[in-house]
Amino acid sequence: QKEVEQNSGPLSVPEGAIASLNCTYSDRVSQSFFWYRQYSGKSPELIMSIYSNGDKEDGRFTAQLNKASQYVSLLIRDSQPSDSATYLCAVNRLANQAGTALIFGKGTTLSVSS
Amino acid sequence: EPEVTQTPSHQVTQMGQEVILRCVPISNHLYFYWYRQILGQKVEFLVSFYNNEISEKSEIFDDQFSVERPDGSNFTLKIRSTKLEDSAMYFCASSYGDRGHSPLHFGNGTRLTVT
Repeated sequence: QKEVEQNSGPLSVPEGAIASLNCTYSDRVSQSFFWYRQYSGKSPELIMSIYSNGDKEDGRFTAQLNKASQYVSLLIRDSQPSDSATYLCAVNRLANQAGTALIFGKGTTLSVSS
Repeated sequence: EPEVTQTPSHQVTQMGQEVILRCVPISNHLYFYWYRQILGQKVEFLVSFYNNEISEKSEIFDDQFSVERPDGSNFTLKIRSTKLEDSAMYFCASSYGDRGHSPLHFGNGTRLTVT
């Protein structure tokens, strides 16, 4: 059974702080990794994708991947109240995920206080 | 920006009835998907569809479920004889294709309530 595990939280950080979200996955052959943001009652929205070991930065967001440890993380710098949401880690066994299942974790709820 | 649209936004049905959830994927996308999310639970893959046939399906997608692309724009999920446990948010998604990395674009979802 392929699993994606996340700490459900809530993770509470003050405005301006760094939020660190973590995810582990069980399928060692996984090739593509994604972070989605989901506001309550809304659909998942893609924030970051990462395919190679190391760091990938996009604005205030940095995704980190360590395939040997089967670990993915998301750092949010200068956290804002508008970042308060549930962050979903998702994994696909293929580098090109077209037509195949994306396996989601249950998500970590982030709360940023002003 | 093009988006995936889903109708209706909320569907209420009685147990045992059939429902059809409708989706219009982004026009130049080739791959279509249905996911569901039971309240408080994780987003779960149901089925993917390409070139007028199912390319992958999960254990959840049993004979109760079917998908169809009845015309050039719509993509539907039919649930026959609905059960209480089918109550969930159903998300349609689409992606462009099979070259390079093609992220999923999700619609806003249909909340299905089975009473």
